Amino acid sequence: DAKTTQPPSMDCAEGRAANLPCNHSTISGNEYVYWYRQIHSQGPQYIIHGLKNNETNEMASLIITEDRKSSTLILPHATLRDTAVYYCIVSHHQGGSEKLVFGKGTKLTVNP
Amino acid sequence: NAGVTQTPKFRILKIGQSMTLQCTQDMNHNYMYWYRQDPGMGLKLIYYSVGAGITDKGEVPNGYNVSRSTTEDFPLRLELAAPSQTSVYFCASSKPPTGWNTEAFFGQGTRLTVV
Repeated sequence: DAKTTQPPSMDCAEGRAANLPCNHSTISGNEYVYWYRQIHSQGPQYIIHGLKNNETNEMASLIITEDRKSSTLILPHATLRDTAVYYCIVSHHQGGSEKLVFGKGTKLTVNP
Repeated sequence: NAGVTQTPKFRILKIGQSMTLQCTQDMNHNYMYWYRQDPGMGLKLIYYSVGAGITDKGEVPNGYNVSRSTTEDFPLRLELAAPSQTSVYFCASSKPPTGWNTEAFFGQGTRLTVV
């Protein structure tokens, strides 16, 4: 079973920031938080990941709470092309057995 | 680079038929994965491989077989197709999870219908 909890759907206005929450209250110390998205049944696309510090790349920012039990993915200026299902995943790097376990994700709809 | 390539893109099978879904990657990744995605659901891991000659079961392996004879290829075999195997199948690959670089790259999927 997925170790994360996400709202099933969210809406955002084009040009505004989209903040997608994720709860991972049972995360362990060696587990990373990953975010992927899936646009219209294409293959999932990696967005960002982090361990305990906040991370930023050209696509998004990841804010992880100090206790690491939740995180937020931020798309700073959402566009219509950001409409997708966003998956929050926790995964550990242990002995080469890393596996990504997907939940149902959050369906983000960016409205004009 | 082509990345992860899956063939075929679409296939209709009759119950009881067999087929192999092909997956190849040109990134020299050790890790490869097969997922299935049913309508409105997240991805479920079928099998994965951490290197040539090594495979292991995921969450939903029943009804499937895999092999990994080369680093590049990771075919998924359905021996006796059943309607419950109607799904979209995704193959993915990644580097070993050492250090920070563990992004997984996905193919575009194979849409399989069993009738």
